[in-house]
Formats: sequence, C-alpha cells, structure tokens
Amino acid sequence: EDQVTQSPEALRLQEGESSSLNCSYTVSGLRGLFWYRQDPGKGPEFLFTLYSAGEEKEKERLKATLTKKESFLHITAPKPEDSATYLCAVQDNDMRFGAGTRLTVKP
Amino acid sequence: ETGVTQSPTHLIKTRGQQVTLRCSSQSGHNTVSWYQQALGQGPQFIFQYYREEENGRGNFPPRFSGLQFPNYSSELNVNALELDDSALYLCASSDRARGEQYFGPGTRLTVT
Repeated sequence: EDQVTQSPEALRLQEGESSSLNCSYTVSGLRGLFWYRQDPGKGPEFLFTLYSAGEEKEKERLKATLTKKESFLHITAPKPEDSATYLCAVQDNDMRFGAGTRLTVKP
Repeated sequence: ETGVTQSPTHLIKTRGQQVTLRCSSQSGHNTVSWYQQALGQGPQFIFQYYREEENGRGNFPPRFSGLQFPNYSSELNVNALELDDSALYLCASSDRARGEQYFGPGTRLTVT
C-alpha cells in the first residue's frame, strides 16, 4: 500500500540551530513530491516540488532534496517565524499527504 | 492574482443533516481538489475535479459528492453527517499541467 511517513512528529529547535525533516514514501509511480508549510487554523502553503531523484530546491532558509525513497527538508539557521507544521505530499494517481512535522523554533 | 477562497469559514451542523461547502479557484487554474483534515493529521484526499468531471477519488463514501462549475469554482456536499465528519475541509486549485496545488484557508465543520 502506498504510504508517506514523516519524522519526527515534533521538533523543537533553538533559533539558529539547523536541522532536517524527513519524508519517506512508497508509491508505485511517483509523479512529484511536494512540501507545504501549514500554520495553525490555515490552509497549507506551497513550498517546493521535486520530480526526480537528485533534485534540490532552495528558498531562503529551506532546502528540499529527493532520493528514490525519501525527501529531506533542511532548515538552516531557523528563526521563530519558521515555526509551523511542515507537510510532505506524494503524487501518483492521487495526492497523498504525510501527517506532518510540527516545528517549534525558540528565540 | 486572486487566491483560493472558501466559504463559510466555520459551520456547525447536527448529525444527519446535509452541508454544502464552496470554493473559488485561483485564476488560471482548471483543477480543484478537496481534502479532509482531522486535527493533528495530514490532509486526506476526497476527490478532484477537472473540467467539470470527477477526475479521481479517495477512500470516502458516496455521501461525499461534488461539483465543478464552468468558471472552475466548486462545491463539496456531504449528506447524512456523522460526528466523525468534524474536520477542516480544504480546497486546492491547480493547473492540470503542473502538480503543485494552492490551498484555500479551509472550512471548519463541527458536527454535534
């Protein structure tokens, strides 16, 4: 069965403390892997699309990478405003989301 | 450029009732997808509409139904509401040629 698993479930960082979030997946035919950011009570906000293994995308303090089995979202020198839930989604025939990683960055 | 909008923002219904949620797509987008998000979970795919036709459906019963209109706006209808239908309902629009979806703010449905 197709699955998307994100780890850790929750992550607490000090401001400036870099880390990585993981998204592992099993799908029959990957058409794309997507990262979203979601603030409490709001809809997800699109961050990145990755299509093939080895691809990387960057935006400000965030960098997403993709292998054949997983994707990482690297956060460099995070700030308190980076606190949010980060969702990974995989598209084969449908879009399948992971449960998310809840990131808290303390000043 | 107008983003995705949803109405209403919040809704309280009684078990057994019916509800209609509405979504206006981002301009230039021809595909609408609906998701159900329970507290602490990722969004679960309900269905997708492309050019007014259902174009994929997740593991939801037939009492969840939808429509897409010629202007690409959409409705989600849920009949015979159950307590477990309480969730945030998200609408997302996209261009059929590209995978990334742009989400609205959601409708918070509470079933009592």
